[in-house]
Amino acid sequence: DIVMTQSPDSLAVSLGERATINCKSSQSVLYTSDNNHYLTWYQQKPGQPPRLLIYWASTRDSGVPDRFSGSGSGTDFTLTISRVQAEDVAVYYCQQYHTTPWTFGQGTKLEIK
Amino acid sequence: QVHLQQSSPGLVKPSQTLSLTCAISGDSISSNSASWNWFRQSPSRGLEWLGRTFYRSKWSNDYALSVRSRITFNPDTSKNQFSMQLNSVSPEDTAVYYCARGSSSLRAFDIWGQGTMVSISS
Repeated sequence: DIVMTQSPDSLAVSLGERATINCKSSQSVLYTSDNNHYLTWYQQKPGQPPRLLIYWASTRDSGVPDRFSGSGSGTDFTLTISRVQAEDVAVYYCQQYHTTPWTFGQGTKLEIK
Repeated sequence: QVHLQQSSPGLVKPSQTLSLTCAISGDSISSNSASWNWFRQSPSRGLEWLGRTFYRSKWSNDYALSVRSRITFNPDTSKNQFSMQLNSVSPEDTAVYYCARGSSSLRAFDIWGQGTMVSISS
């Protein structure tokens, strides 16, 4: 199985500041046939299911604010929230869609400082 | 707009079978560009993919190794829904269970059910 490891486990950021969450996969999630990285980011608020934020490592899903961005390649990826808002308080997960079983990181909890 | 509505299983006792249903609106369970997945989430296991059912000229199922011997998925085209049965449950199966659509184009789970809290207790 591909193991997904996120860092940090939690972080506290002031409103309007930048938040950076890292994700490392145990093997490459690059799909060579289309040159896309099958790395996805989700946001989960308490009592809600995960919400798709970013797919193909860097493409925002419809309706996702542009303060959310994804980057990275190979085995190392980053989710950046450029100017954190109060409504961004949540747990963020990375997930690989390269090889079954699909696997998730352990989650990173974002709080406001 | 695609929506997934999960059933509530009621109380499930150890050694019994957990049954959940996910009703689809706004898409077809027979879509060639989607898969229909089950997950669970608990503090001890995190977010865990349990498996999927999908149609590509014929129906296929994939199950996670951790539950493969106990789990069955069944698509129901007449009701446009899919179900999961997990046999011989134990307290370790206590979790929030989710269904979700896997998009073949996005290579992501883009639509999720609301979640169902399942407690296994005698």
